[in-house]
Amino acid sequence: AQSVTQLGSHVSVSEGALVLLRCNYSSSVPPYLFWYVQYPNQGLQLLLKYTSAATLVKGINGFEAEFKKSETSFHLTKPSAHMSDAAEYFCAVTPSGGSNYKLTFGKGTLLTVNP
Amino acid sequence: GAGVSQSPSNKVTEKGKDVELRCDPISGHTALYWYRQSLGQGLEFLIYFQGNSAPDKSGLPSDRFSAERTGGSVSTLTIQRTQQEDSAVYLCASSLNPGRTDTQYFGPGTRLTVL
Repeated sequence: AQSVTQLGSHVSVSEGALVLLRCNYSSSVPPYLFWYVQYPNQGLQLLLKYTSAATLVKGINGFEAEFKKSETSFHLTKPSAHMSDAAEYFCAVTPSGGSNYKLTFGKGTLLTVNP
Repeated sequence: GAGVSQSPSNKVTEKGKDVELRCDPISGHTALYWYRQSLGQGLEFLIYFQGNSAPDKSGLPSDRFSAERTGGSVSTLTIQRTQQEDSAVYLCASSLNPGRTDTQYFGPGTRLTVL
């Protein structure tokens, strides 16, 4: 079964600093990978997704992620954190075969942005 | 346009009671999904609908859980004889078509508390 691991349940950065949220996947076949953001008391919003085209994926709100097959990673970055980026971030994967609609999520990383 | 909506936003119930959670997907979306978000288990897939049919119910935790979809639109998740471990946020999502290439759009969720 495919899975994702998010390293760090809580990341704290200063406003203006680099944001790096880590995600590693386990799969024998490169899956499709997603990053979602969840603001307090809201649903999940898609930030970006990797669908086997370009390995560097740009998303909304200045976020981007790079798919690295050799490292089985899909880390999320943003050059300069903003207070409004404070939220919980989830990495997710869908399998390459059957049931490819089924999102499997990591445990999430809570991002805190300090002024 | 209108996103995915869910009602109620919060539900408090007593152990042993039945509850119904409602999801209104984005108009025209043929695929609908239910997920559960709990502190212990994170985000878990529950069930998937294509039209009014549910080809994948593999995530439903017990036979106390059931779901239906009517008119290819509204879906209801029913939990019978609720238990305290059912306390969680229940998220609904929809996509234009099923499959990994279609983005799943999430609703704000229903927070269920079982006393």
